[in-house]
Amino acid sequence: QITLKESGPTLVKPTQTLTVTCTFSGFSLSTSGVAVAWIRQPPGQALEWVALVYWDNEKRYSPSLNSRLTISKDTSINQVVLTMTNLDPVDTSTYYCARRVNGRFDSWGQGILVTVSS
Amino acid sequence: DIQLTQSPSSLSASVGDRVTITCQASQDVTRYLNWYQQKPGKAPKLLIYDASNLETGVPSRFSGSGSGTDFTLTISTLQPEDFATYYCQQYKNPMLTFGGGTKVEIK
Repeated sequence: QITLKESGPTLVKPTQTLTVTCTFSGFSLSTSGVAVAWIRQPPGQALEWVALVYWDNEKRYSPSLNSRLTISKDTSINQVVLTMTNLDPVDTSTYYCARRVNGRFDSWGQGILVTVSS
Repeated sequence: DIQLTQSPSSLSASVGDRVTITCQASQDVTRYLNWYQQKPGKAPKLLIYDASNLETGVPSRFSGSGSGTDFTLTISTLQPEDFATYYCQQYKNPMLTFGGGTKVEIK
């Protein structure tokens, strides 16, 4: 059974840095073709892809957020970490992590709502 | 980036209706397009991958079609549990994008 779970702060002040962690089980991020992504969704709005890390450590970032993002993986403990700097209230969103295989997000975490407010 | 435009943005339908949602890409994505269903407060769920392939466990009343720039998600006979928001997503371009969503509401 594949599971993913997001963890991190639920309230962050403007200009601060957000660090969210995805802890997963049921698959390995060392397996060829596997990736883990972060996708976010502002309240009442559409999904937005944020970042992705592949099994071979290749990383991709949304062009609109690229300068503020770092994604990393620790295969030994089945975790993927996303860091986003210089937060703004418009970054208030539910942040999901998801497994990507063969181009599709086939398993998702429950999401974590992160509010950016002073 | 490849933009995905879904229409309609919302629709009202009755149980038993046939529902069609479209997704238009700003560039050719061949068949690299997926569909997801999201219910309030829940994570999205994969329904269709590569334009027309039904994900394991998804009811056969869901189907997908299309290629290039024009795609369709069809629910043949709408069930009460199908009231949700549906999103398309492309992966032809490494910069992944989602459509704006289509909310299916009860008439």
